[in-house]
Amino acid sequence: QKEVEQDPGPLSVPEGAIVSLNCTYSNSAFQYFMWYRQYSRKGPELLMYTYSSGNKEDGRFTAQVDKSSKYISLFIRDSQPSDSATYLCASRYNFNKFYFGSGTKLNVKP
Amino acid sequence: NAGVTQTPKFRVLKTGQSMTLLCAQDMNHEYMYWYRQDPGMGLRLIHYSVGEGTTAKGEVPDGYNVSRLKKQNFLLGLESAAPSQTSVYFCASSLSPIRQVSGNTIYFGEGSWLTVV
Repeated sequence: QKEVEQDPGPLSVPEGAIVSLNCTYSNSAFQYFMWYRQYSRKGPELLMYTYSSGNKEDGRFTAQVDKSSKYISLFIRDSQPSDSATYLCASRYNFNKFYFGSGTKLNVKP
Repeated sequence: NAGVTQTPKFRVLKTGQSMTLLCAQDMNHEYMYWYRQDPGMGLRLIHYSVGEGTTAKGEVPDGYNVSRLKKQNFLLGLESAAPSQTSVYFCASSLSPIRQVSGNTIYFGEGSWLTVV
C-alpha cells in the first residue's frame, strides 16, 4: 500500500463546475499536507499547504484535511479551462520525507 | 528569482552512454532532491541531500549517482544509461527544519525529459 493514494482520473467537467479531488493516506502521523498543480510538460507547482486538520481557503481553491478518516480533499469552485492540469496531493513526515500521490488529471471543458 | 533550474530540458541517450543532469536553486535551501516521474507511478525519490557534501539514497537509487559540492547545486549522474531510465526527472529543494517558519514545503524545477534508446 502506498502512503498516499489518489484516483488517477481523468476527470472531465464543464466550465464553472465545482471540482472535488481526493486522496487518502495511510500514516496517522502525517501532519503536513500539500496540493500541487502540474501542467503538461511542466514541473509541479505548490497550490495549497495545510497543517493538521481543517480547511484552508485561497480564492477559488479550498483544501480540506480529515485526519479521522485520513482523507485529503481539494475543491475548486467556478472551474476554468486554465485549471486543466494534473493535481498531486502530498504529505510530509519527518522533516524531509515527502510522499506524493500519483496525480489526478483534470480537464475543464469550455 | 529563478527558483529551481534544471539543465538540459531534453536529452536522448544511447544505451550505455553516460550523462549528468544539473540542478541549481537560488532560494538558499539546505535540502535538495532528485525525483523521477513515470506514468501511473507518480514521483519517486532517487537521491536526496540535506546539505553541502552530503547525499543519501531514496526509493529508487540504483543506476544513479549524485553529488552536492555546492549548496546551490545538485547533480544527478547516469553512468551507463538503460532504457528503463527513460523518464522525466525533477529536481526539488526545501528548507531545513531548523529554518522553518510555518512549515516545510518542496519546490520543483521544470523537469528534464530523458529518453534512452
